[in-house]
Amino acid sequence: QSVLTQPPSASGTPGQTVTISCSGSTSNIGSNYVYWYQQLPGTAPKLLIYRNNQRPSGVPDRFSGSKSGTSASLAISGLRSEDEADYYCATWDNSLSVLFGGGTQLTVL
Amino acid sequence: EVQLVESGGGLVQPGGSLRLSCAASGFTFSSYEMNWVRQAPGKGLEWLSYISSIVTDIYYAGSVKGRFTTSRDNAKNSLYLQMNSLRVEDTAVYYCMRGGDPPYWGQGTLVTVSS
Repeated sequence: QSVLTQPPSASGTPGQTVTISCSGSTSNIGSNYVYWYQQLPGTAPKLLIYRNNQRPSGVPDRFSGSKSGTSASLAISGLRSEDEADYYCATWDNSLSVLFGGGTQLTVL
Repeated sequence: EVQLVESGGGLVQPGGSLRLSCAASGFTFSSYEMNWVRQAPGKGLEWLSYISSIVTDIYYAGSVKGRFTTSRDNAKNSLYLQMNSLRVEDTAVYYCMRGGDPPYWGQGTLVTVSS
């Protein structure tokens, strides 16, 4: 049972916008940055968003992050078939351990 | 270019030991905190351990505390995870992860605990 709560699955059709949520508490998301990762089968997690809403170089601006209070969201606009993957949110808690959400499996219909 | 390369994974029997290494390059290793994260087959990501840049603080997840030991050698730009008393449920891909923003991950090394 993850401390950060994500929906186990999400889906959308090409071109749509999909949003994945991540819910935590005041001791984790509420007081720390949120990170989002994309993981394709058999590969290491790839950083999509850091510091709530910053994109590393090379990540398309179709991916955006936001945070409000103790929750965060990842939005993927202009959905593409190659976006089909697992998505994880992450943050720190006040004891310096990293917390991960349980992951959301995104299906592009 | 930041690179993190894990090594040392393999097949080990329950109760055995293994030492993982993470070789860092492309940044000033001694300035960054580091973490170990694992992912069991078909499961999500699990944080295991944190070590501060100059080893003043080391933290562990409850699932590995007392069995795993994290260390680093800043002169060798390397991070280590000593894993003792391994269990079947420790089977996973093990990643090292650099702290700071943005964080960086290695490609992982597979540890299989099986008789």
